[in-house]
Amino acid sequence: DVKVTQSSRYLVKRTGEKVFLECVQDMDHENMFWYRQDPGLGLRLIYFSYDVKMKEKGDIPEGYSVSREKKERFSLILESASTNQTSMYLCASSFVGGTGGEQYFGPGTRLTVT
Amino acid sequence: DQQVKQNSPSLSVQEGRISILNCDYTNSMFDYFLWYKKYPAEGPTFLISISSIKDKNEDGRFTVFLNKSAKHLSLHIVPSQPGDSAVYFCAASVWAGNNRKLIWGLGTSLAVNP
Repeated sequence: DVKVTQSSRYLVKRTGEKVFLECVQDMDHENMFWYRQDPGLGLRLIYFSYDVKMKEKGDIPEGYSVSREKKERFSLILESASTNQTSMYLCASSFVGGTGGEQYFGPGTRLTVT
Repeated sequence: DQQVKQNSPSLSVQEGRISILNCDYTNSMFDYFLWYKKYPAEGPTFLISISSIKDKNEDGRFTVFLNKSAKHLSLHIVPSQPGDSAVYFCAASVWAGNNRKLIWGLGTSLAVNP
């Protein structure tokens, strides 16, 4: 069974803190993605990675960075958390080229920055 | 500019009736379309997809119809059940280099009333 796990379901951080969100998949997928979901704004792509040590900016990369040192693990880093980064963060993975590009999602991390 | 549009932010139907969720797109290069379902505080889960060479795909209570000339697709749920209450996202798949990218709609919140 496909499995994507995220390190925390709920997280509360203070403004200015450095925040690490971890994602692990056990499906040997090449591709991994980080999204944020906000009411009325759908799923917005932050960063993605098609291979180890490779990363590409998505639609809203400002204020974020990522790390992919191993194939199964993709980390999202908020260098200095701000209140406008309060959101639901979703990690996903997929096979290279898969039939329709289907992505498998983790349960999400609800981050609150105070 | 949104390439995938879900023009109804919300929809309410009675249990046992049909739910119809709509999605419009602008890019004729999209060759697969996917529907995802998302409950609050959970990650999206894949529901059903359709290739651009087909006009219908069915899986149990869920059927997706594609009208390429109108650049329109719809998800039909028959009969609707209270457990179907969730946000439904339409996504379009397109090749970006050697890999696939999903372009997401903003979602439609479905409420199925007992």
